[in-house]
Amino acid sequence: DTAVSQTPKYLVTQMGNDKSIKCEQNLGHDTMYWYKQDSKKFLKIMFSYNNKELIINETVPNRFSPKSPDKAHLNLHINSLELGDSAVYFCASSQATGRPAGELFFGEGSRLTVL
Amino acid sequence: AQSVSQHNHHVILSEAASLELGCNYSYGGTVNLFWYVQYPGQHLQLLLKYFSGDPLVKGIKGFEAEFIKSKFSFNLRKPSVQWSDTAEYFCAVITGGGNKLTFGTGTQLKVEL
Repeated sequence: DTAVSQTPKYLVTQMGNDKSIKCEQNLGHDTMYWYKQDSKKFLKIMFSYNNKELIINETVPNRFSPKSPDKAHLNLHINSLELGDSAVYFCASSQATGRPAGELFFGEGSRLTVL
Repeated sequence: AQSVSQHNHHVILSEAASLELGCNYSYGGTVNLFWYVQYPGQHLQLLLKYFSGDPLVKGIKGFEAEFIKSKFSFNLRKPSVQWSDTAEYFCAVITGGGNKLTFGTGTQLKVEL
């Protein structure tokens, strides 16, 4: 069983469209994240949710809206896609309570290409 | 805010050569330190971690890292690399009590046969 699973793995779309990426973790973790990896492989955190509550919201355009229906799911919706949104988006999870922080488990990534 | 720098962006080694990848962080307080590896086309996986105690930590696949507090460093080492170690390596830091894992820019390692 995949611990952190993301769908879709690949997404090719036109500028201006709206798209969503879904993430689910079956590790029982209480915290989930979205990271963006650009073409130079740089990883930057976008959002983090702890038990469905937003705890990290980096400087990300309002076009990006995360949603966490429960602590096992964290979805990312992107409105009005732009060329610069092309990247690999990684979902991750961790157990923030009762354990040392920082050990993240990553999904396989969703490669978004905006044409 | 904490930051992480990895000075080697691209490293090319022959099989059996020794490896050392540099990682420095900037934060004066308690930190947890990590090395993650990303094999081609795959997701990030934890290689090793330091929380406290022995500053020399051992990870998977023969990797180790040494935390030197006075130098704010957490360099990754492996005595003898293999072709299968070809990957991108990321150092990461989180401050004690913090909730944001910050990654370095990564080092691309290519091991040639």
